[in-house]
Amino acid sequence: DADVTQTPRNRITKTGKRIMLECSQTKGHDRMYWYRQDPGLGLRLIYYSFDVKDINKGEISDGYSVSRQAQAKFSLSLESAIPNQTALYFCATGIEGQVKEQFFGPGTRLTVL
Amino acid sequence: GESVGLHLPTLSVQEGDNSIINCAYSNSASDYFIWYKQESGKGPQFIIDIRSNMDKRQGQRVTVLLNKTVKHLSLQIAATQPGDSAVYFCAEILSGAGSYQLTFGKGTKLSVIP
Repeated sequence: DADVTQTPRNRITKTGKRIMLECSQTKGHDRMYWYRQDPGLGLRLIYYSFDVKDINKGEISDGYSVSRQAQAKFSLSLESAIPNQTALYFCATGIEGQVKEQFFGPGTRLTVL
Repeated sequence: GESVGLHLPTLSVQEGDNSIINCAYSNSASDYFIWYKQESGKGPQFIIDIRSNMDKRQGQRVTVLLNKTVKHLSLQIAATQPGDSAVYFCAEILSGAGSYQLTFGKGTKLSVIP
């Protein structure tokens, strides 16, 4: 089984709809992250959480919100989706320490019409 | 603002040759750098990392070089194989008490010619 899973893997929605993307991990990591990736661009950090009670904005948090329901779960919400939020979304996990390696999920492709 | 970028968006190499992928960064305070590999349809996968107090680090078939004087990072892949074909991203991290900033570069697509 995959260590970091994302649901759904693909989603098409309409402008103005509320969308939730979910991420679960079995790695036991405290840190979780949400990124978006646009064609021809690198990943950009949306939100990150260093533990269940810690939520921090990343580079591009406007239009998004997150919830850390448990150590293993970190969900990303788009309260009112807009077309420029069409992108590939990745969840990642990591641990505190010398090695800052992050482990990525398979991604969710979101299309907002 | 400060950003991480790449000199070349695409790179084609012959199988068996060495590959060099470059990355420029502008935040001199960044204390940690990572190279990721992303294959089509998959999430990024960690390759190798280097701390800012180092100038070279080697892994299996890969070497990362850090030149802080010119703010340049490179990834060298020895004896490039078809399975190395992917998009490669560098990322810089600035971390400290109560803060965390990570910036990815735009990526270089490596194509290996059989």
